[in-house]
Amino acid sequence: ETGVTQTPRHLVMGMTNKKSLKCEQHLGHNAMYWYKQSAKKPLELMFVYSLEERVENNSVPSRFSPECPNSSHLFLHLHTLQPEDSALYLCASSPLLTGAYEQYFGPGTRLTVT
Amino acid sequence: DQQVKQNSPSLSVQEGRISILNCDYTNSMFDYFLWYKKYPAEGPTFLISISSIKDKNEDGRFTVFLNKSAKHLSLHIVPSQPGDSAVYFCVSGGSNYKLTFGKGTLLTVNP
Repeated sequence: ETGVTQTPRHLVMGMTNKKSLKCEQHLGHNAMYWYKQSAKKPLELMFVYSLEERVENNSVPSRFSPECPNSSHLFLHLHTLQPEDSALYLCASSPLLTGAYEQYFGPGTRLTVT
Repeated sequence: DQQVKQNSPSLSVQEGRISILNCDYTNSMFDYFLWYKKYPAEGPTFLISISSIKDKNEDGRFTVFLNKSAKHLSLHIVPSQPGDSAVYFCVSGGSNYKLTFGKGTLLTVNP
């Protein structure tokens, strides 16, 4: 596998469920990101990790809980979500946290909360 | 308030012609700009970037122009090909990791 992979690609969950999204990057990057893309809205940055340390929590509700066990893997744990949390969740990575580096995105997980 | 604006939600051009996608930004602290392309069911992929010290950057069929005084940038695709049909995001950044995305413009290139 190369690049940034995300699983599952699609997820339907009820409001009382607990699920996790997984992201893996095979690029040797040190920074990883979670983004949310809702319908007709720009991408919104949710969380940022650098060398497995969280450096940004962009006012995200606690029902979203990220985890970065190593520099290649990033998880987003979901608990008691709301229907308005239905969106495309994108993971990205970059070589370093600072500097003018482009970010490399995974294909996303399409989440539907019922 | 949106800091990066792509005022055209969609654009349709004929194959072989020029596609021009426009973007305006409001934050004068932005000093690095990128264009991403997104196909359905895929994540955005980096296309081309430009630093604020330049006013033009070219890569094959793709050229990005930056007008700092007008806080405007544009992406030119010449010649346009059907495979270029995708959503194009204008993105601004700086010396940190925070990228600010526009809402995107859907480009359709008709054969």
